[in-house]
Amino acid sequence: DAKTTQPNSMESNEEEPVHLPCNHSTISGTDYIHWYRQLPSQGPEYVIHGLTSNVNNRMASLAIAEDRKSSTLILHRATLRDAAVYYCIPGGTYKYIFGTGTRLKVLA
Amino acid sequence: NAGVTQTPKFRVLKTGQSMTLLCAQDMNHEYMYWYRQDPGMGLRLIHYSVGEGTTAKGEVPDGYNVSRLKKQNFLLGLESAAPSQTSVYFCASSYSGETHTTEAFFGQGTRLTVV
Repeated sequence: DAKTTQPNSMESNEEEPVHLPCNHSTISGTDYIHWYRQLPSQGPEYVIHGLTSNVNNRMASLAIAEDRKSSTLILHRATLRDAAVYYCIPGGTYKYIFGTGTRLKVLA
Repeated sequence: NAGVTQTPKFRVLKTGQSMTLLCAQDMNHEYMYWYRQDPGMGLRLIHYSVGEGTTAKGEVPDGYNVSRLKKQNFLLGLESAAPSQTSVYFCASSYSGETHTTEAFFGQGTRLTVV
């Protein structure tokens, strides 16, 4: 399983964009990059995933480096409801390996 | 849809007692998982199942047993609870093992305290 490195915490002002980085230098060629988030006192929820090209959905965008050794989750306009721990999970199998993630604090 | 439902939501056990945590999903998912989350840490995989009647060990299986007698249910058992098993337990399910075509759905968690 690929190892990941994420900042322990980040802060953002409300309604500003947030870029959450993740390094996964040992990722294999077939591993997808998944992002989940965990709101306070809740179970994790899916955010987005991708393989090589950038991906967008209603929640966020995922920018994947050309060498795939890093990726960035982009929240275009952070809201207070986006305050959560964000997990970057490279993987190609069904076993989701969670690290400690990045705790995002959104300031009003 | 209820999604993934965990029962109970809270429980306090005495050391040495046993209990079973129930996870139920109504999405006809093949894969199910049990995780534990200790304060300030990420989730760690305890056991998982790739289909009815099958189970496998994850990262931290010691002290736990599981069963998947029905496709929709995944049970996590503690035969003799220890204070080190105080944690929040999350169940999850996914349609398939191909992570590029599926996402995992998580329950709301069971907060277990062993005294």
